[in-house]
Amino acid sequence: ETGVTQTPRHLVMGMTNKKSLKCEQHLGHNAMYWYKQSAKKPLELMFVYSLEERVENNSVPSRFSPECPNSSHLFLHLHTLQPEDSALYLCASSQEASGAYNEQFFGPGTRLTVL
Amino acid sequence: AQKVTQAQTEISVVEKEDVTLDCVYETRDTTYYLFWYKQPPSGELVFLIRRNSFDEQNEISGRYSWNFQKSTSSFNFTITASQVVDSAVYFCALQGYSSASKIIFGSGTRLSIRP
Repeated sequence: ETGVTQTPRHLVMGMTNKKSLKCEQHLGHNAMYWYKQSAKKPLELMFVYSLEERVENNSVPSRFSPECPNSSHLFLHLHTLQPEDSALYLCASSQEASGAYNEQFFGPGTRLTVL
Repeated sequence: AQKVTQAQTEISVVEKEDVTLDCVYETRDTTYYLFWYKQPPSGELVFLIRRNSFDEQNEISGRYSWNFQKSTSSFNFTITASQVVDSAVYFCALQGYSSASKIIFGSGTRLSIRP
């Protein structure tokens, strides 16, 4: 595997379900990100991890819970979601979270539908 | 505050035409980075270019070229001799240099190339 991978690619869940999105980067990067992309809305940064430490949390509801066990893996745990949470969830990584090596490389995304 | 404006929501041109995607930004940072990303129908954002604020030299990569003008706070992207495979949503983004600065994406321009 190369680049940034995300699983699953598609997920349909009910409002009472608990599920997790997984992201893995094979680039040796130190920073990882979760974004939400809804129809007709700008890309929304949700969380940023740098060296496994959360450095950004953009007022995201607690029904979204990130986890970064190591610099290569990032999870987004979901529980009691709402239909408006349906969106494309994108994971990205960069060598550093800021400074000169900050271009981000994205995974293919998980298309989430909440019924 | 930082802001990225992509005023063109959708553009449609016939194949082989040249097309320019506009990007205007606002920032108080003296050092910052500008990016362009391409999002094809598959969903994955593909990194195209990063430009440092202190380097105003324009860049050309094959059919792609970028015009960075600090005086007008613009970072426009031109595709020469467009092809159907260029059809995608293109995002312009801005990030300050400081460790506290997060990347800000524009709302994107949907480019359709008609055969």
